[in-house]
Order: sequence, then structure tokens, then C-alpha cells
Amino acid sequence: GAVVSQHPSWVICKSGTSVKIECRSLDFQATTMFWYRQFPKQSLMLMATSNEGSKATYEQGVEKDKFLINHASLTLSTLTVTSAHPEDSSFYICSARGGGPSAGDTQYFGPGTRLTVL
Amino acid sequence: AQSVTQLDSQVPVFEEAPVELRCNYSSSVSVYLFWYVQYPNQGLQLLLKYLSGSTLVKGINGFEAEFNKSQTSFHLRKPSVHISDTAEYFCAVTTDTGRRALTFGSGTRLQVQP
Repeated sequence: GAVVSQHPSWVICKSGTSVKIECRSLDFQATTMFWYRQFPKQSLMLMATSNEGSKATYEQGVEKDKFLINHASLTLSTLTVTSAHPEDSSFYICSARGGGPSAGDTQYFGPGTRLTVL
Repeated sequence: AQSVTQLDSQVPVFEEAPVELRCNYSSSVSVYLFWYVQYPNQGLQLLLKYLSGSTLVKGINGFEAEFNKSQTSFHLRKPSVHISDTAEYFCAVTTDTGRRALTFGSGTRLQVQP
């Protein structure tokens, strides 16, 4: 149980285009999903917190107009990188919180999406 | 706000030797603690977690960790490592208030050598 999927697993795009990444909780409902960014050989940095049916909460320094997050259902959140540029190239990882308070609100992570902007 | 410190960026060890990966945290409220493992180009896999109760927590793949409140530590241990344990290990903390987002340490690269 507690499986989170991401699609696509990798994507290459041209500068100026937009890219959408999907994050799905496959066997549980996740009222909250998180989006992280990871640069090579570095830790995960929280970008935003996504709550089903409401606007995402962005961390300081993250451009909300560039990284659009939609949490349309209890099992799906999407991250759209708009007008991507080479500096947006990174590994994007989502997580879904499940199990309720008794499970410590454990976060289960997706396999990540490698974005390369040319 | 909470923070996590992983003192060792890299830990080289020989196969079948014991290993300890260190993690210290800082928080003004009660915390939940986690260890995750990341293999190259993959997401994070939960190794173990401490929520409450027994301070010795056992996880998958033979790993265990001990919560020490007085020393604000949550060190990860394995008595005998395998080549397949080579990966990046992240300690993380969250609280039971607010957004409950995870705060990660900088990671420790475990390199198991034959």
C-alpha cells in the first residue's frame, strides 16, 4: 500500500515551453500533497504544499506564477512549470500524506520527474 | 521552526561491517522523525519512523534507529551492510501542527565497498 506515482518520469523540453507533471496516490486518498525540488547531490527543498480543493501554499522564493499547482481531487495533484528555462532543470519529487494522525501523517514519495530544459 | 543536521556527508564502509548514520534535530515542539533512502534517479523510500512509544524503531532492510530526546538525536544503524545498501540517506522531521511539511537534512551518502 501507500504507492505514489509520477508522470512523466523524465521530460526534455525547449526553453519557453510549459511542462505538466502529475502526481497520483494510487491506493489512498491524500488531502495534502507536497512538491519538492532536488538539485544534483543536494537535499530536497520544499516548493509548495497542495491541499485538495484549495490554493497551494508556496514556500518563500518560489514563484507561484511559474510553478502552477492544481490539486483537483484526493488522488491527483499537478505541477506545471510555465515558460521553462534551463535553470528550471531539476529533479521534481512529489509526496502524498496519508494514514492520518495515527500514522504521524507519513509522507509517501513518488519516483520523481527529471526535467531538462534545453 | 525545526531543523535537521546530518553531520556526515559521506560514510564509506566495507561490506558486512556495521554502520551508523547520524542525525540531530532541533525543534521547540514534539516531533515525528523519519529516515528515507534514495537510490540514484529515484524517489524516496521510507525506511522507518518514530511517532511515539518505544525509542528503538526497527525498519526495513535490517535498519533501526533510536530516538534520544535528551540528545535530540535519531541515529540510523545497521549491524551488517551490503553492497546494495549504497545510496543516499535522508533524515527528516515534522511536527503535529501547521502544514506538517517535512524538513530534510542534507543527506548522507553511504558507500559500501567490497
